Amino acid sequence: GENVEQHPSTLSVQEGDSAVIKCTYSDSASNYFPWYKQELGKGPQLIIDIRSNVGEKKDQRIAVTLNKTAKHFSLHITETQPEDSAVYFCAASIRGFQKLVFGTGTRLLVSP
Amino acid sequence: KAGVTQTPRYLIKTRGQQVTLSCSPISGHRSVSWYQQTPGQGLQFLFEYFSETQRNKGNFPGRFSGRQFSNSRSEMNVSTLELGDSALYLCASSIQSGGIQETQYFGPGTRLLVL
Repeated sequence: GENVEQHPSTLSVQEGDSAVIKCTYSDSASNYFPWYKQELGKGPQLIIDIRSNVGEKKDQRIAVTLNKTAKHFSLHITETQPEDSAVYFCAASIRGFQKLVFGTGTRLLVSP
Repeated sequence: KAGVTQTPRYLIKTRGQQVTLSCSPISGHRSVSWYQQTPGQGLQFLFEYFSETQRNKGNFPGRFSGRQFSNSRSEMNVSTLELGDSALYLCASSIQSGGIQETQYFGPGTRLLVL
């Protein structure tokens, strides 16, 4: 079945450093890869997404890269700030299906 | 535009009871999906509704059910509650105007505690 692996489970960085979170998916039919940020007591918030016809997408300090051959996709956050501290989830889904398969999450802590 | 709303936000039930959770999608969104979030299993897909029809279903027992109304609002029901049903139940909505995968926007969730 579908599976998404996410690493690392926790990540501590200093303010201003970069943070990278990596995910691997198992189903080669997956074609949509969103990233969500979840803060305590809140639902997941979409921060960026990428479709399989694109290799990279950037939005200010956040970027996502996709390697379809290796079935890898990564989230890159540059110039991290304390407010970036949260749990980040990657997910994958197949065209035509609204079912998102989530990774296990990465707890990011940005220290001032 | 108002976001996805879920009611109630918190709920305490006892084993054997049943519970109904409600979700109002973003205006204009026609697809509603439900997810269960627990520390042990993470975020897991329950089911998805579109135009009052269940289109996709995850690997959950029949005690978990849902429905969608003509205004796209959705409810999910869990019967014969078990301790393991304690979780954050999240609802997500998307436009679903075509065949491409649409972005899902999540509500704040309903936290269910089963005693």
